[in-house]
Amino acid sequence: DVKVTQSSRYLVKRTGEKVFLECVQDMDHENMFWYRQDPGLGLRLIYFSYDVKMKEKGDIPEGYSVSREKKERFSLILESASTNQTSMYLCASSPGLAGVGEQYFGPGTRLTVT
Amino acid sequence: GDSVTQMEGPVTLSEEAFLTINCTYTATGYPSLFWYVQYPGEGLQLLLKATKADDKGSNKGFEATYRKETTSFHLEKGSVQVSDSAVYFCALSGYTNAGKSTFGDGTTLTVKP
Repeated sequence: DVKVTQSSRYLVKRTGEKVFLECVQDMDHENMFWYRQDPGLGLRLIYFSYDVKMKEKGDIPEGYSVSREKKERFSLILESASTNQTSMYLCASSPGLAGVGEQYFGPGTRLTVT
Repeated sequence: GDSVTQMEGPVTLSEEAFLTINCTYTATGYPSLFWYVQYPGEGLQLLLKATKADDKGSNKGFEATYRKETTSFHLEKGSVQVSDSAVYFCALSGYTNAGKSTFGDGTTLTVKP
């Protein structure tokens, strides 16, 4: 079974802190994605990556950056956390060509910024 | 661009009732279609998929048929259980959108005993 793990299930950070959310997949998938999920707004794509060292902006990249130094790991970075980044963050991976196909999700990290 | 429209929730049903959650889509080309389910406190997991017109995806008693003529992919289950209570997302993925998936807003289903 594909397994996508995220470094924390719950995280509390202070405004202005630099925050790292880590995601690891164990099935050699090419494509990885970061979403945030907010009530009433559904899933919104932050960044995605089709290959090591590649990254593409999603629909809401402002205030975030990403890093993909190894195929299995995709990190989301909040350079200076703000309260409006309080959210559920979901990582996903997929094996499809150019990202097409079903995605496999991690359990999510619920981030609270105070 | 691509879009997915889901039946608005929340939906509340009694155990053993019939379930339909409507999903329609707009996309260029021939996308693959998916239903994902999210149980409380968890990430999304794939429930079923269909990759071409008239395909029927099925899993755990749930079914959905890819209808190109009506651009729909409605989710159905003949007899729901309390354990089916979750949020259901319809989604599509296709090469014309650089492989990014487009998700509906999700429909919350609550099944009462």
